[in-house]
Amino acid sequence: QLQLQESGPGLVKPSETLSLTCAVSGASITHTQYYWGWIRQPPGKGLEWIASVFYSGSDYYSPSLKSRVTISVDTSKNEFSLKVTSVTAADTAVYYCVSHYGSGTLRRSWSDPWGQGTLVIVSS
Amino acid sequence: DIVMTQTPLALSVTPGQPASISCKSSQSLLHSDGKTYLYWYLQKPGQSPQLLIYEVSNRFSGVPDRFTGRGSGTDFTLKISRVEAEDVGVYYCMQSLDLPLTFGGGTKVEIK
Repeated sequence: QLQLQESGPGLVKPSETLSLTCAVSGASITHTQYYWGWIRQPPGKGLEWIASVFYSGSDYYSPSLKSRVTISVDTSKNEFSLKVTSVTAADTAVYYCVSHYGSGTLRRSWSDPWGQGTLVIVSS
Repeated sequence: DIVMTQTPLALSVTPGQPASISCKSSQSLLHSDGKTYLYWYLQKPGQSPQLLIYEVSNRFSGVPDRFTGRGSGTDFTLKISRVEAEDVGVYYCMQSLDLPLTFGGGTKVEIK
């Protein structure tokens, strides 16, 4: 059974870099039908897709965040990561890692399962 | 970006009664392969979202048959035939026809 688990600091100072990792279990991150991604949810608000990556390194980013975000994959550890630079209070959110299942494409895929989510607060 | 608009924002439903949620997209979600890439998720209180319906009308593994998805093009509906206590939470529609992946604003369902 595919499972994802986020890890990383729960508190980040403004202007610093937010770094999160998602450990994948129950399947190889090199599975050709999966993309791996990050979605966030500010407290009390809706869902926002951030970025997604294929095991080969092919990646896609939300245009609104692209200048500050990097997603990467480590096949040796079966995990993928997210970095968001120059964070502000607006980046405070629950960050979910998610698997996108499709035919080796991010478009036309579904997103499930999701990790349990990790709350990241940006504050000095 | 494809904008997803859900209505209503909230629903209060008596157990055993039906409920319906609407989702409209700013452009057609029909792909040239004949499939329509519209999904429904439920986020139960304190949990991460879970997939209910994929490609408009297909129930995901383990989803009860009281959940039905319908629609085409730009107009979609999620119907719950008889709401149960375990159905409370926020329902989201999502499209993956094009990037960026986008979600509706959510519809909160509560029990009366």
